[in-house]
Amino acid sequence: GAVVSQHPSWVICKSGTSVKIECRSLDFQATTMFWYRQFPKQSLMLMATSNEGSKATYEQGVEKDKFLINHASLTLSTLTVTSAHPEDSSFYICSARRIRDSSYEQYFGPGTRLTVT
Amino acid sequence: GQQLNQSPQSMFIQEGEDVSMNCTSSSIFNTWLWYKQDPGEGPVLLIALYKAGELTSNGRLTAQFGITRKDSFLNISASIPSDVGIYFCAGPPNNAGNMLTFGGGTRLMVKP
Repeated sequence: GAVVSQHPSWVICKSGTSVKIECRSLDFQATTMFWYRQFPKQSLMLMATSNEGSKATYEQGVEKDKFLINHASLTLSTLTVTSAHPEDSSFYICSARRIRDSSYEQYFGPGTRLTVT
Repeated sequence: GQQLNQSPQSMFIQEGEDVSMNCTSSSIFNTWLWYKQDPGEGPVLLIALYKAGELTSNGRLTAQFGITRKDSFLNISASIPSDVGIYFCAGPPNNAGNMLTFGGGTRLMVKP
């Protein structure tokens, strides 16, 4: 168990448009999901923590109005990149923490590569 | 915030060789996690450590939670080409909350 999916796996969009990325925990429930951004040859950078039924908590420097997060159910969180620009091009990865776990283990999705032209 | 320092940053080894990498912090961690990321994929959890001194194996992988709680080690024995990837250590900063902080990663390349 502990499978996390992301959709789409890759997306190309024009500058100024919005893109929605879905993150689903397939075989477990997750009260908390996380959104990361990763640049080439770099580590994962936490963008925000998504809590089911409440507002997301954003890391310092991450614009909450630009990166909209919704966690409407125990198995789904979405990240919407609004008015995307070329500098938003990156690899976005979500992770989920199992509801029954008292540990810190996070299970990651396969990632979404966003290219803004 | 708390940082995790991983070394080496990259390794290029011959198939069959053993590999050792480590992760250090200036602060105490109560949990250490080791992940592997293949190109274009999300990280996969390899080993989780919860007690100082703990030694845990997963196949050819062995990880240890340092006694000082400020470091952790990952060893890979008899490396094979599919071990190629980036290995990340991670732990909860301030040992509180749900979030993880990640090390910079060790990029492993294996020559057949």
